[in-house]
Amino acid sequence: GDSVTQMEGPVTLSEEAFLTINCTYTATGYPSLFWYVQYPGEGLQLLLKATKADDKGSNKGFEATYRKETTSFHLEKGSVQVSDSAVYFCALKGGSYIPTFGRGTSLIVHP
Amino acid sequence: EAQVTQNPRYLITVTGKKLTVTCSQNMNHEYMSWYRQDPGLGLRQIYYSMNVEVTDKGDVPEGYKVSRKEKRNFPLILESPSPNQTSLYFCASSPIPPGQAGELFFGEGSRLTVL
Repeated sequence: GDSVTQMEGPVTLSEEAFLTINCTYTATGYPSLFWYVQYPGEGLQLLLKATKADDKGSNKGFEATYRKETTSFHLEKGSVQVSDSAVYFCALKGGSYIPTFGRGTSLIVHP
Repeated sequence: EAQVTQNPRYLITVTGKKLTVTCSQNMNHEYMSWYRQDPGLGLRQIYYSMNVEVTDKGDVPEGYKVSRKEKRNFPLILESPSPNQTSLYFCASSPIPPGQAGELFFGEGSRLTVL
């Protein structure tokens, strides 16, 4: 079946550091890929998405590129802020329309 | 405003006392789902529904029931709660249009404690 593997956290960075959170997936066909963010005390919300190979999703300075050859969708940001501290979930949605989530990666950004 | 609304947001109850967590969405979405979130385990799907009167088990359905009598509502029922059901619960919905990604829209969560 479908699966998503994310790097384990927490990831701890200083403000303005470069961020990478790795995500790889296993799926049949051509799934859509997502990153969701969960700020403290809130529900998950969509951060960005990509629907086909080589697509780049971007939002709020975050980017991720759909790499079919490496089955990856790594999340990156050039300069993190304290307000980016949150839990980040990688997810995929295949032909069954039932989403599959990774376990989440906690990001802590220090001033 | 498009939203998914869960109630209650916080609940402390005792073992064996039946409870229902309601979920309602105003976006006319076909797909609805319940997840629980536990430290170190991420999100685990409890039940999902592809449309009215159609429900299916997710990864951790034991101890839970759901119903989908109307498109907008998808309540989660704990007939006899136990302490291992202490968790943070999320309801989510999504459209199921062909050829589109269909992002999930989440409620704000319901924190349940079973003593």
